[in-house]
Amino acid sequence: GDSVTQMEGPVTLSEEAFLTINCTYTATGYPSLFWYVQYPGEGLQLLLKATKADDKGSNKGFEATYRKETTSFHLEKGSVQVSDSAVYFCALSGMDSSYKLIFGSGTRLLVRP
Amino acid sequence: NAGVTQTPKFQVLKTGQSMTLQCAQDMNHEYMSWYRQDPGMGLRLIHYSVGAGITDQGEVPNGYNVSRSTTEDFPLRLLSAAPSQTSVYFCASSYDGSTDTQYFGPGTRLTVL
Repeated sequence: GDSVTQMEGPVTLSEEAFLTINCTYTATGYPSLFWYVQYPGEGLQLLLKATKADDKGSNKGFEATYRKETTSFHLEKGSVQVSDSAVYFCALSGMDSSYKLIFGSGTRLLVRP
Repeated sequence: NAGVTQTPKFQVLKTGQSMTLQCAQDMNHEYMSWYRQDPGMGLRLIHYSVGAGITDQGEVPNGYNVSRSTTEDFPLRLLSAAPSQTSVYFCASSYDGSTDTQYFGPGTRLTVL
């Protein structure tokens, strides 16, 4: 079945450092791909999404490119801030069950001043 | 427009007790779903509904019941709580679920003793 694999955390960075959180997926066809963010004590919020190969999703300085050839959707940000400290989830919705989100296990990011 | 609301925010139960987690949305979304979030496992789909009167099982449905009598409400029932159901529960909704943004509620933290 469809699945999502994320790099294990926690990831600890200093402010203004470059961020990469790896995400790879297994799915038939062309799923839609998402990054969600969960701030402490809150629910999940959509950060960005991409619906077809080579699409780049972007929001709040974060970017991720849908790479069909490597089945990846890595999250990047050029300069992280303390306020980016959160848990980040990669997810997909498959072609055979487009209304179901399948999540990775999440990666906790801690940004130190 | 309140979005997706969940009650209660916190709940402690004893093994064998029953309870209902409430979820409501005011966005006229057809699709609603329940997820549980456990450490290191991301979010897993429990049950979902694609419209009033229609429900189906997700990845981890055992021990939970749902019904959808109105578009707005999608309660999750635990008939006989078990310690394995200790988790954070999130309700989500979207207009049609297909590559659309899913809006998540703030979550209910449930502890079963």
